[in-house]
Amino acid sequence: SAVISQKPSRDICQRGTSLTIQCQVDSQVTMMFWYRQQPGQSLTLIATANQGSEATYESGFVIDKFPISRPNLTFSTLTVSNMSPEDSSIYLCSVIDTGELFFGEGSRLTVL
Amino acid sequence: AQKVTQAQTEISVVEKEDVTLDCVYETRDTTYYLFWYKQPPSGELVFLIRRNSFDEQNEISGRYSWNFQKSTSSFNFTITASQVVDSAVYFCALSTGGFKTIFGAGTRLFVKA
Repeated sequence: SAVISQKPSRDICQRGTSLTIQCQVDSQVTMMFWYRQQPGQSLTLIATANQGSEATYESGFVIDKFPISRPNLTFSTLTVSNMSPEDSSIYLCSVIDTGELFFGEGSRLTVL
Repeated sequence: AQKVTQAQTEISVVEKEDVTLDCVYETRDTTYYLFWYKQPPSGELVFLIRRNSFDEQNEISGRYSWNFQKSTSSFNFTITASQVVDSAVYFCALSTGGFKTIFGAGTRLFVKA
């Protein structure tokens, strides 16, 4: 099973700043996904990140706000740009490995 | 369109009671996966089970059991003899072609001692 490490695990950010979240997987995976979980809510898919191509964003999410990099098969980053308090959420990286969907422990962002 | 419905927002039971969490899904795909995840108060997501669309056998794992019925598009989860440690939010999820996974709204389970 895939082991996923996310950094930072939590952060407190100021309005208007940007933060980059890193996701490292211990094995090579084709598809990586970024999810957002707003307080008390379910998980919502932000985008799918495949190595060597542009990320595919879900409705309601745009590249300017959530730029994603996928430089290789074990690593991805998600940047939350120009943050506002509404961006306070847990951001989760996930991968498909042997048919299972594995999640990192999440990055809990609080925007003041 | 894909959809997962968990109609029960919150359930409260007393320890040792059995409890069933409902999950109804919608998809036009013939090949898909269904998942259940547990999110305890600590926040991490704990994988419980995956079931593919071609395997309708029910599954039992300890106090947990799952009832998959394609005829009603349901994938219900039962906890037998519930314990306080079962208190968590439980998410049902559906993964189809392209491996995009969508989640239900979750059911918050409170198990009181």
